[in-house]
Amino acid sequence: DIQMTQSPSSLSASVGDRVTITCRASQDINNYLAWYQQKPGKVPKLLISAASTLQSGVPSRFSGSGSGTDFTLIISSLQPEDVATYYCQKYKGDPLTFGGGTKVELK
Amino acid sequence: QVQLQESGPGLVKPSETLSLTCTVSGHSVSSDYYWLWIRQPPGKGLEWIGSVHHTGRSYYKSSLKSRVTMSVDTSKNQFSLKLSSVTAADTAVYYCARDLDSPVDYWGHGALVTVSS
Repeated sequence: DIQMTQSPSSLSASVGDRVTITCRASQDINNYLAWYQQKPGKVPKLLISAASTLQSGVPSRFSGSGSGTDFTLIISSLQPEDVATYYCQKYKGDPLTFGGGTKVELK
Repeated sequence: QVQLQESGPGLVKPSETLSLTCTVSGHSVSSDYYWLWIRQPPGKGLEWIGSVHHTGRSYYKSSLKSRVTMSVDTSKNQFSLKLSSVTAADTAVYYCARDLDSPVDYWGHGALVTVSS
């Protein structure tokens, strides 16, 4: 099975900081990579599809990049409402796999 | 508006079978979408369990394959999950969801299932 490895597993940053989360696939997944944001007690929210396509309504401070095996989610200027856990997901085909998650907290 | 709602027992005894149903409104389960089950143990990450199509095609996470059965009931516009021989490690919030070879676009609210005697 394809494994998705996220790093770091958690981070602490200040408001206004640039935050970078990485996701590595154990084999080439083309650009079939999504990023979700999950706040406590809530359903995951889709932020980015196809590695870099921002979903409607998602603030432009979020961006995604990468292809193949290495992907990145960037929050260009962290805001208090961005405190959440972020997951990458390999989609399209068997299996669907989530990364382990990155918990983003405020310093 | 597409809505998905999980239902089923919130408490299951060890070694028994966990059964959940997802009722879909605003969209037909007979469409080309795949219907998914995803779970999240308390304080942990998301885990895809499996996907099922109304034609009967299904695929499951390899580590769960021997215990999972998923099916679609087009007459009730529902799909279901059965997970056998459960242990405490199967305690989780179970989400139903859908995709179309795409990221998940609709999720249920989630149902907490606790495995305990």
